Amino acid sequence: NAGVTQTPKFQVLKTGQSMTLQCAQDMNHEYMSWYRQDPGMGLRLIHYSVGAGITDQGEVPNGYNVSRSTTEDFPLRLLSAAPSQTSVYFCASRPGTANTEAFFGQGTRLTVV
Amino acid sequence: AQKITQTQPGMFVQEKEAVTLDCTYDTSDPSYGLFWYKQPSSGEMIFLIYQGSYDQQNATEGRYSLNFQKARKSANLVISASQLGDSAMYFCAMRYNNQGGKLIFGQGTELSVKP
Repeated sequence: NAGVTQTPKFQVLKTGQSMTLQCAQDMNHEYMSWYRQDPGMGLRLIHYSVGAGITDQGEVPNGYNVSRSTTEDFPLRLLSAAPSQTSVYFCASRPGTANTEAFFGQGTRLTVV
Repeated sequence: AQKITQTQPGMFVQEKEAVTLDCTYDTSDPSYGLFWYKQPSSGEMIFLIYQGSYDQQNATEGRYSLNFQKARKSANLVISASQLGDSAMYFCAMRYNNQGGKLIFGQGTELSVKP
């Protein structure tokens, strides 16, 4: 039972570098989303997707890109990393029915130096 | 404005006592869902309980219950008979069913259970 898998678990980047955080789910969930978690600020929604080919911005989308070419995968791209993007990133997915909870990956701890 | 507010950054409770964690929300949408998640120090997000905006009764799941007061726009989590393992961060979240189902979180409350 893989659930929601995020890779990598830890990453250190230099300012200006680019990278992609991977998220894959094997539950055939329609909805997927990315959050960042910073101390005292809870989880803030970066981008979300309601299905393959459809994405939308969340609360803090600047500096991040996403795409959803398949139901299973929802990668998050940092085009030019900044120290302000140092955070723990969570990917989540859920089915399309209204009363179901979201399932979270284990998180990726990203440090930008 | 779409907002979830948890006004208690930290809470202490004695083991075996009950504790209430506050959550208020702000929306004009009639259809929404309210969730509580637990995040222990290991970092994973654990779903606890769900309440739909049209549900007539308060949700319960074992030692967890949700005190849903729709007119006051509050969805407080009640944990009965606290255990040491309940020490964790607790997040309230709201899903906007008419806005692509996006899920927005509050700032969290850190609960510490004292022996």
